[in-house]
Amino acid sequence: DAGVIQSPRHEVTEMGQEVTLRCKPISGHDYLFWYRQTMMRGLELLIYFNNNVPIDDSGMPEDRFSAKMPNASFSTLKIQPSEPRDSAVYFCASSFRQGGYTGELFFGEGSRLTVL
Amino acid sequence: EDQVTQSPEALRLQEGESSSLNCSYTVSGLRGLFWYRQDPGKGPEFLFTLYSAGEEKEKERLKATLTKKESFLHITAPKPEDSATYLCAAQGGSEKLVFGKGTKLTVNP
Repeated sequence: DAGVIQSPRHEVTEMGQEVTLRCKPISGHDYLFWYRQTMMRGLELLIYFNNNVPIDDSGMPEDRFSAKMPNASFSTLKIQPSEPRDSAVYFCASSFRQGGYTGELFFGEGSRLTVL
Repeated sequence: EDQVTQSPEALRLQEGESSSLNCSYTVSGLRGLFWYRQDPGKGPEFLFTLYSAGEEKEKERLKATLTKKESFLHITAPKPEDSATYLCAAQGGSEKLVFGKGTKLTVNP
């Protein structure tokens, strides 16, 4: 059974360029999370969706960041324009509601973004 | 604001040398305390969920315990393949998981 699939695995871009990260969650999962991981700040939640609807985007750092989930099998995280401080590993994770809890998260392998 | 603090930041052990990792949390209405393992270049992988103080979970050489303020991950007779970063996360009144920064464990043969 396929896990969470993210693309691209690595992205190197120049400051000011648009970056789009993609995620395919596990089939049947109704929650999708976008996290960012850096050495300084660890794993930070950016935004999460339930049944394709954004529930909490309070972790999105600025208006330069946006996320969409047009259907249950696809989500994007877009950064426009990108800045060097956006360099990090971005993880997508999915889960399903179990007994009222979101339960364990299943993470993808991440997208490593470097902005020069 | 919900917070999770892990210590130590890094731990180096000899193979067979048991130890514990600490996770302190400040969360309103704890719904669950989670432990994850993260290998280099990979996403975190779920290990355990603990729901209430006094609860314990075990998996091979790992045992997780929970009190009202902290959780411990005990590693008994570790092997080099246990080397990884161990992340703790807490889920409070919201559905969000708040992660600690992790403990990087190195087990030398």
